[in-house]
Amino acid sequence: DQQVKQNSPSLSVQEGRISILNCDYTNSMFDYFLWYKKYPAEGPTFLISISSIKDKNEDGRFTVFLNKSAKHLSLHIVPSQPGDSAVYFCAASDNSGAGSYQLTFGKGTKLSVIP
Amino acid sequence: GAVVSQHPSWVICKSGTSVKIECRSLDFQATTMFWYRQFPKQSLMLMATSNEGSKATYEQGVEKDKFLINHASLTLSTLTVTSAHPEDSSFYICSARRQGKEVSEQYFGPGTRLTVT
Repeated sequence: DQQVKQNSPSLSVQEGRISILNCDYTNSMFDYFLWYKKYPAEGPTFLISISSIKDKNEDGRFTVFLNKSAKHLSLHIVPSQPGDSAVYFCAASDNSGAGSYQLTFGKGTKLSVIP
Repeated sequence: GAVVSQHPSWVICKSGTSVKIECRSLDFQATTMFWYRQFPKQSLMLMATSNEGSKATYEQGVEKDKFLINHASLTLSTLTVTSAHPEDSSFYICSARRQGKEVSEQYFGPGTRLTVT
């Protein structure tokens, strides 16, 4: 059973426009959410995160929105640039007691920004 | 940012042999390291959590006798795939977490591509 779902395997966006990547989760114990960017044959790179006590976190061109009631989060990239083309993974963590900070990843969405 | 290295970056081995993959945190101490496996077009699947000085915790379905993990120091964890078979061919990625830091302070290595022939 997949606890973190990214239902869109791919997304194409024109340069300069907004990219919106979506992520849904099922485990209500998740309290910390992250987005990672990954290029082929490389490890993921941390982009931005959000705690469950917030509904928005912004860092430059990247903004993450969290809707706890809907168990949904999204990553907005604006304006999109060709260098943003990569696979984006949504990840979630339950830090309530385990202490090990394990991450559960979605399958990823491949973003292509067209010049 | 913190750097995590993996060695080798790719390896080809024959069925039945064992392969060791190293994961090092280069500029910070990592009490916890994680090992992931990724199949093509699939998510990163957590295999095990490695804690320095103690036994690794394996996820359900991961054979601990096949995937041996050793976290001998605060900067090094190793994953040994024993008696490798073609179905073990995959992309293996480690990550390292700084003690006392938020979960976002988990840095990933570049990955190791294992091909078993």
